Amino acid sequence: DVKVTQSSRYLVKRTGEKVFLECVQDMDHENMFWYRQDPGLGLRLIYFSYDVKMKEKGDIPEGYSVSREKKERFSLILESASTNQTSMYLCASQGQSSYEQYFGPGTRLTVT
Amino acid sequence: DAKTTQPPSMDCAEGRAANLPCNHSTISGNEYVYWYRQIHSQGPQYIIHGLKNNETNEMASLIITEDRKSSTLILPHATLRDTAVYYCIVRLWGTNSNSGYALNFGKGTSLLVTP
Repeated sequence: DVKVTQSSRYLVKRTGEKVFLECVQDMDHENMFWYRQDPGLGLRLIYFSYDVKMKEKGDIPEGYSVSREKKERFSLILESASTNQTSMYLCASQGQSSYEQYFGPGTRLTVT
Repeated sequence: DAKTTQPPSMDCAEGRAANLPCNHSTISGNEYVYWYRQIHSQGPQYIIHGLKNNETNEMASLIITEDRKSSTLILPHATLRDTAVYYCIVRLWGTNSNSGYALNFGKGTSLLVTP
């Protein structure tokens, strides 16, 4: 079974802190994604990566950066957390020739 | 990617078929219809996809109209564990120049299966 794991299910951080959200997949997938999900807004794409060290901005990249040093790991970084970044963060991966995108369980981040 | 329209909510009695509609009247010839669902507090889960023909797998059936402007996801015998938000997504196979393989989730249909 494909597994996408995220480092934390729940996280509470203070405004201004640097926050790292880690995502690991075990299926050698080339593509990895970070989405955030907010009530009434659905899932929105923050960043995606189609290969190691490659990254592309999604719809809402402001305030975020990403890192993909190894194929299996895709990290989302909040350089200086703000309260409007309180959200559910979902990581996903997909193989190059696959039709299915696999999601992790999500990290619910609260910034106070 | 084509826009989709789904009803915001539906109810279904346990054991009955749940039929979830999706309108995608602007779909282009090479766009697929994908369905995902998201159970509360979990990540979305792939259900099924199709291009023109009806499709069936162990989870559901997908009926696409001949003109491809709408589709219906059928859960043949809904259970309480099928209570979730169901997303209909239309997109090209493979990469999109702007967003790679990323999926454009709308607001979906919140399905409540009742005992």
